[in-house]
Amino acid sequence: GAVVSQHPSRVICKSGTSVKIECRSLDFQATTMFWYRQFPKQSLMLMATSNEGSKATYEQGVEKDKFLINHASLTLSTLTVTSAHPEDSSFYICSAGRDTHGDTQYFGPGTRLTVL
Amino acid sequence: GDSVTQMEGPVTLSEEAFLTINCTYTATGYPSLFWYVQYPGEGLQLLLKATKADDKGSNKGFEATYRKETTSFHLEKGSVQVSDSAVYFCALGFPHGSGNTGKLIFGQGTTLQVKP
Repeated sequence: GAVVSQHPSRVICKSGTSVKIECRSLDFQATTMFWYRQFPKQSLMLMATSNEGSKATYEQGVEKDKFLINHASLTLSTLTVTSAHPEDSSFYICSAGRDTHGDTQYFGPGTRLTVL
Repeated sequence: GDSVTQMEGPVTLSEEAFLTINCTYTATGYPSLFWYVQYPGEGLQLLLKATKADDKGSNKGFEATYRKETTSFHLEKGSVQVSDSAVYFCALGFPHGSGNTGKLIFGQGTTLQVKP
């Protein structure tokens, strides 16, 4: 159990367009999901905490109007990169916690975004 | 603030060599400690965890002991294989609830390369 999926796994888009990435917990419910960004050969940078039914909490320096997060159900959170630019190209990873287990997070396989 | 520091890589070993990847942390309170592994092009997978002092987490021949006195959680394996080549992340977190979001704080990652 505790599987998290992401879709798409890879996306290429033109500069100025918006891209939506989905994160799903397949076999458990998650009131909280997390979105990370990872640059090549670097660690994960937490972007925001996605809360089911309420507004996301963004980390300092992350533009909330550029990275829109929606957590409409207990199994789905979406990250929309609006008006994407080449500098937004990165590996985006989501994770979800099984609340009954308290502290362990389960990660999705990641989405490689390339903005041309 | 809370933080995690890992030894810098890359770490290059021959097959069957002994592995140690150092991890130390700074935290207020009593966090849970984790090791995650990321294989090329993939998301993170939980390798092992420990939730309190002197606990030993173990999985797939890897192990790490939660040392409160030295604030460390070093990862060890007695005999590495080529298939262990990956990036290893040390992380700390607090259980979701009681004012905690459940987010994880990661170290910078250590790349392990195992040669035949």
